[in-house]
Amino acid sequence: DTAVSQTPKYLVTQMGNDKSIKCEQNLGHDTMYWYKQDSKKFLKIMFSYNNKELIINETVPNRFSPKSPDKAHLNLHINSLELGDSAVYFCASSLLTGGDEKLFFGSGTQLSVL
Amino acid sequence: DQQVKQNSPSLSVQEGRISILNCDYTNSMFDYFLWYKKYPAEGPTFLISISSIKDKNEDGRFTVFLNKSAKHLSLHIVPSQPGDSAVYFCAASGGGTASKLTFGTGTRLQVTL
Repeated sequence: DTAVSQTPKYLVTQMGNDKSIKCEQNLGHDTMYWYKQDSKKFLKIMFSYNNKELIINETVPNRFSPKSPDKAHLNLHINSLELGDSAVYFCASSLLTGGDEKLFFGSGTQLSVL
Repeated sequence: DQQVKQNSPSLSVQEGRISILNCDYTNSMFDYFLWYKKYPAEGPTFLISISSIKDKNEDGRFTVFLNKSAKHLSLHIVPSQPGDSAVYFCAASGGGTASKLTFGTGTRLQVTL
């Protein structure tokens, strides 16, 4: 029943490893996002995909690679993890209507890089 | 450069009273504003939004006011309830869509009995 679900909820890993976070939405939305909330609690957009096409890429290191196999899924793969990647990552989705839109967020993935 | 600012990190209000959360923005291209509520270990949940063509939007106990000349918006919750205790984020976007939201750092609201 969860509208936007992301897994895993917690991810603890060593520096240098590669990891993935999965996201799925069952709302029929056409746009999906990844946001990062850092230690200072700033929520910042990383990527946005509309109908499987990348539309926003906010100067994120190319170690981060989003993959959208279909409109309902947007996964985030991170290569060569660094200490500074520790954060909470939120997936979100919306229906782009040209007005009155709102984002629906997943519950977040707490990534800890040791 | 913080384009959306919530200068009060926390606020405590008695149950039944009004809670007023404030947000300031600097980017004059922002024309769509949203408030989100967040409980611990959960994602932000949409509360209410307002576009720049309005100065007020109301939904039940929640009202958002927008003062474009001051680049300021506020969220009023009345009456406040203990279940309203959460972190509230203000967010803004340009182009009339929510496709690229800029968030404030949040205000933690505590509603006491």
